[in-house]
Amino acid sequence: EVQLVESGGGLVQPGGSLRLSCVASGFTFSSYTMHWVRQAPGKGLEYVSAISSNGGSTYYANSVKGRFTISRDNSKNTLYLQMGSLRAEDMAVYYCARGEAVAGTNWFDPWGQGTLVTVSS
Amino acid sequence: DIQMTQSPSSLSASVGDRLTITCRASQNINNYLNWYQQKPGKAPKLLIYAASSLQSGVPSRFSGSGSGTDFTLTISSLQPEDFATYYCQQSYSTSFTFGPGTKVDIK
Repeated sequence: EVQLVESGGGLVQPGGSLRLSCVASGFTFSSYTMHWVRQAPGKGLEYVSAISSNGGSTYYANSVKGRFTISRDNSKNTLYLQMGSLRAEDMAVYYCARGEAVAGTNWFDPWGQGTLVTVSS
Repeated sequence: DIQMTQSPSSLSASVGDRLTITCRASQNINNYLNWYQQKPGKAPKLLIYAASSLQSGVPSRFSGSGSGTDFTLTISSLQPEDFATYYCQQSYSTSFTFGPGTKVDIK
């Protein structure tokens, strides 16, 4: 069964840091681009970041650029999101998702269950 | 960045109803459009990719259509398990923008 399990969320003060992890199983992790998407409480989905299969290419939304770093360890089947200079507006459930791509089009499937990041003093 | 809009933002419907949700992109995105379903407290689930391709395991009452800037998600006969929020997403650019969502609840 293809599965993604996030961890690392929790309560952090404004300006603080946190590292999220996403462990993959049931598929060849090193063959897929991986993504992070977040959802603030009661709000819609916001795309955060992506990393290519070998880690050589990354993408960040403007809202997190310079503060967040995406990385992966293919030997551990694990995706990471290092979050720094956290703000109240970063408070959200963070989902990791596997990227699928065919003929130039992309989609996300499956998604992990999410991990909640709370930014508060 | 490509902006995505959805209409309506919410609707009330009954079991058995035929439902259509519209998604519009701010520029031409060809057929690079996905639809997801999200239930409260759960992760989003892929329904449709590339505008009209049904994801494996998704019931055939779900269908997608459109290209360019205008897209629709149709549920042919609403079932109790379909009450959820639906999001479109463009994959034309790496900003992978989502629409604001359409919440479908019980009339």
